[in-house]
Amino acid sequence: GEDVEQSLFLSVREGDSSVINCTYTDSSSTYLYWYKQEPGAGLQLLTYIFSNMDMKQDQRLTVLLNKKDKHLSLRIADTQTGDSAIYFCAEGGTGGFKTIFGAGTRLFVKA
Amino acid sequence: DAGVIQSPRHEVTEMGQEVTLRCKPISGHDYLFWYRQTMMRGLELLIYFNNNVPIDDSGMPEDRFSAKMPNASFSTLKIQPSEPRDSAVYFCASSLAGAGGRYGYTFGSGTRLTVV
Repeated sequence: GEDVEQSLFLSVREGDSSVINCTYTDSSSTYLYWYKQEPGAGLQLLTYIFSNMDMKQDQRLTVLLNKKDKHLSLRIADTQTGDSAIYFCAEGGTGGFKTIFGAGTRLFVKA
Repeated sequence: DAGVIQSPRHEVTEMGQEVTLRCKPISGHDYLFWYRQTMMRGLELLIYFNNNVPIDDSGMPEDRFSAKMPNASFSTLKIQPSEPRDSAVYFCASSLAGAGGRYGYTFGSGTRLTVV
C-alpha cells in the first residue's frame, strides 16, 4: 500500500543547513508536500512540489524531488532556532483520495 | 477566513465520561478529516468526509468513537465512554481536494484531550 517514510530526528547547529529526507511509494502522486508543526500547534503547509518538477526553491527552503527513486528532500538554509519543529513529508494529488503523511522528523536546532 | 476552528482547545475528563470535540472547516472546502496524534503512534487518520458524507472510517479505533457532519460547516467527534488511552491531541483538517491538490490540507489548532 501507500507509505511515506522519513527519519525521526535531526539535530543541527544554528546557521548550518538542515536536510530532511523522505521516501514514498505511490508513483502516481501528483503533489509532494512538506508540512511544519510547531509545539502546541497544528500542521501547516510549508511548501509543495508538483511531480513534474525536480526542484523548487522558496527563500531559505529548497525541495528536491527524485521521481525515479521516489525520494523527496527539504533543505533549510541558515537554520534558525525558530525552525525547530516537526516536519512531515506527505504525498497526495487531486481528486478524492487522501494525502498520506509520514511519521514526521523532529528538527532540533542548537544555538 | 479564520481557518479551521476546533473547540475546545483542552479537555480534561474522567474515565467513562462522554467527550465531544467540535470542528468548523474552512468555508467551501469539500473534505474534512479527523486525525489523532500521540507520541507513540504519530499522526493517525481516523475518518474523513466528502460533502458531509463519511467516506472512510477504517481508522476509527473502536465503536466508542463516532463522528458526524450534519452540515458543511460543522463536524463532531464523540468518544463514549472515554478511556485513559484515548488521551491525545485530536486534529481536524479540511481541503478542497481529498488528496490535497496544490493547497494541501488546512489543519486546526487541535484539541488536547486528557482522560484521567
